[in-house]
Amino acid sequence: QQQVKQSPQSLIVQKGGISIINCAYENTAFDYFPWYQQFPGKGPALLIAIRPDVSEKKEGRFTISFNKSAKQFSLHIMDSQPGDSATYFCAARGANNLFFGTGTRLTVIP
Amino acid sequence: DAGVIQSPRHEVTEMGQEVTLRCKPISGHNSLFWYRQTMMRGLELLIYFNNNVPIDDSGMPEDRFSAKMPNASFSTLKIQPSEPRDSAVYFCASSFSAGVNSPLHFGNGTRLTVT
Repeated sequence: QQQVKQSPQSLIVQKGGISIINCAYENTAFDYFPWYQQFPGKGPALLIAIRPDVSEKKEGRFTISFNKSAKQFSLHIMDSQPGDSATYFCAARGANNLFFGTGTRLTVIP
Repeated sequence: DAGVIQSPRHEVTEMGQEVTLRCKPISGHNSLFWYRQTMMRGLELLIYFNNNVPIDDSGMPEDRFSAKMPNASFSTLKIQPSEPRDSAVYFCASSFSAGVNSPLHFGNGTRLTVT
């Protein structure tokens, strides 16, 4: 059973465009929602994270939007750059476990 | 800060052989996690340790898998005997604690291929 559902599986965006990745969860006990970025041959690295008592968090070009009632959260990458091309994972923490989405492979075309 | 160090980076072995993956967490981190990544199942938590003690090993797929953490600076994941379906990238991650806001720091993984 997938605790966190992520979409789309892959995404192609033009340079300068907005990349949007969506995630949904069911377990209301989750209380921490990080996003990880993974480049080929590397481990995932924390990009940005949010607590459920906040509806939005912005760090540079990266923004998490969180809708607690809908149990959904999304990552927005503004002014997408070729260097943003990577696989992005949403995650949710509960019971000392971090449940990952299945990942979105983002390709930013120059 | 050298980050989480995993070895080997790549391992190719034949079915039935024993495989040992190694991990050195970030100094000062007291929680260590082993994950497996495959295209089909994504990132799966296998086991995690807190203060060198295994806390949750419910993700370990079978008795063929075992993990140890003899001290705060070293952990191993062993597969014996290995099978082709074990082929995956295995990640080790560490954090300051298993608490909510402690980010995981991942190593670069070990790509295991079992033929």
